[in-house]
Amino acid sequence: DVKVTQSSRYLVKRTGEKVFLECVQDMDHENMFWYRQDPGLGLRLIYFSYDVKMKEKGDIPEGYSVSREKKERFSLILESASTNQTSMYLCASSFRESQYFGPGTRLTVL
Amino acid sequence: QKEVEQDPGPLSVPEGAIVSLNCTYSNSAFQYFMWYRQYSRKGPELLMYTYSSGNKEDGRFTAQVDKSSKYISLFIRDSQPSDSATYLCAMSRANTGNQFYFGTGTSLTVIP
Repeated sequence: DVKVTQSSRYLVKRTGEKVFLECVQDMDHENMFWYRQDPGLGLRLIYFSYDVKMKEKGDIPEGYSVSREKKERFSLILESASTNQTSMYLCASSFRESQYFGPGTRLTVL
Repeated sequence: QKEVEQDPGPLSVPEGAIVSLNCTYSNSAFQYFMWYRQYSRKGPELLMYTYSSGNKEDGRFTAQVDKSSKYISLFIRDSQPSDSATYLCAMSRANTGNQFYFGTGTSLTVIP
């Protein structure tokens, strides 16, 4: 069965903190994604990666960076968290037309 | 104009009703069409995908694509309270698996 896991379900951080969100997939997929989901705005792509050490900016990369050192793991980094980064963060991996999502991390920045 | 438009609802129906969820799109290059279901506080899960035009059926769910009108639909027959969720449509130009375009989702409640 397909599995995408995320390191935390809920996270509370303070403004200015560095935040790491980790995602692991067990399907040997090449492509991995980070989205944020906000009411009324839907899913917005932050970054995606099509191979180890490769990354592409999505629609809203500002304030975020990513790391993919191993095929199964894709990390999202908030260098200095701000209150407008309070959101639901979703990781996904894909093969062809099928994209599989993790359970999400609800991040609150105070 | 957004590439994919989806009415956010909310949609509320009685148990047993037929539900119709829809999306329109502007890019004629889209070839793959997906529907995801997302329960509250969970990640989206892939329900169905179709390639190009036509219908696809899976149990109580039917996905329909009309490329000439740039319009896709998901029908749920004999709706159940467990179908209460947000439904997102998604599309891609090719099956390379690296670029997806999502609707904002339609919130559905099935009332027992």
